[in-house]
Amino acid sequence: DIQLTQSPSFLSASVGDRVTITCRASQGINSYLAWYQQKPGKTPKLLIYAASTLQSGVPSRFSGSGSGTEFTLTISGLQPEDFATYYCQQANNYPRFTFGPGTKVDVK
Amino acid sequence: QVQLVESGGGVVQPGRSLRLSCAASGFIFRNNGMFWVRQAPGKGLEWVGVIWYHGSDSDYADSVKGRFTISRDNSNNMVYLQMNSLREEDTAVYYCAKDSATTISGVRYYYMDVWGNGTTVTVS
Repeated sequence: DIQLTQSPSFLSASVGDRVTITCRASQGINSYLAWYQQKPGKTPKLLIYAASTLQSGVPSRFSGSGSGTEFTLTISGLQPEDFATYYCQQANNYPRFTFGPGTKVDVK
Repeated sequence: QVQLVESGGGVVQPGRSLRLSCAASGFIFRNNGMFWVRQAPGKGLEWVGVIWYHGSDSDYADSVKGRFTISRDNSNNMVYLQMNSLREEDTAVYYCAKDSATTISGVRYYYMDVWGNGTTVTVS
């Protein structure tokens, strides 16, 4: 099974900051990676798929990069509504998706 | 708009059964596979299983295989999760999610683009 790790697990940031979250896969997964945002008590929301393709309606301050085993999610200019937990998810073993453990972005 | 609404959660004793439902609207349901994903209290997301668009095939996480069954009714735009022999570790919010895909430079990329609000299952 492909395992995903995320770093950091927790991140304190301020509005306007540039935030970077890393996701690493236990084996190469090409660009079969998606990112989701989940706010407390809310449903997960798709942000990015194919490692770098922004889902329709997602603000352009979100971007994704990487391929193989290392990926990043960047938020350029953190907004108040961006404080949430972010999960990466591999789709290399479709339909058997697996998720990373999550990165919580909190207010500094 | 595209919408998924889960129902059927509740409190159930270990060893008992429960059936969750997910009502879909706003898209051509019979064209899409459907997933179930769960989230234990304070924990991350766990893929539970999938049913293909035609309903004749499904796949499950090892943690639920042999106990959970996913089915669908394409006539009524519904997908179900039958959970038997429930364990305390099955306590979670259960989400249904829509399978989607995009082709980029000849490569097919899959993801879950729409999620329901979830229904809570407590095994105790």
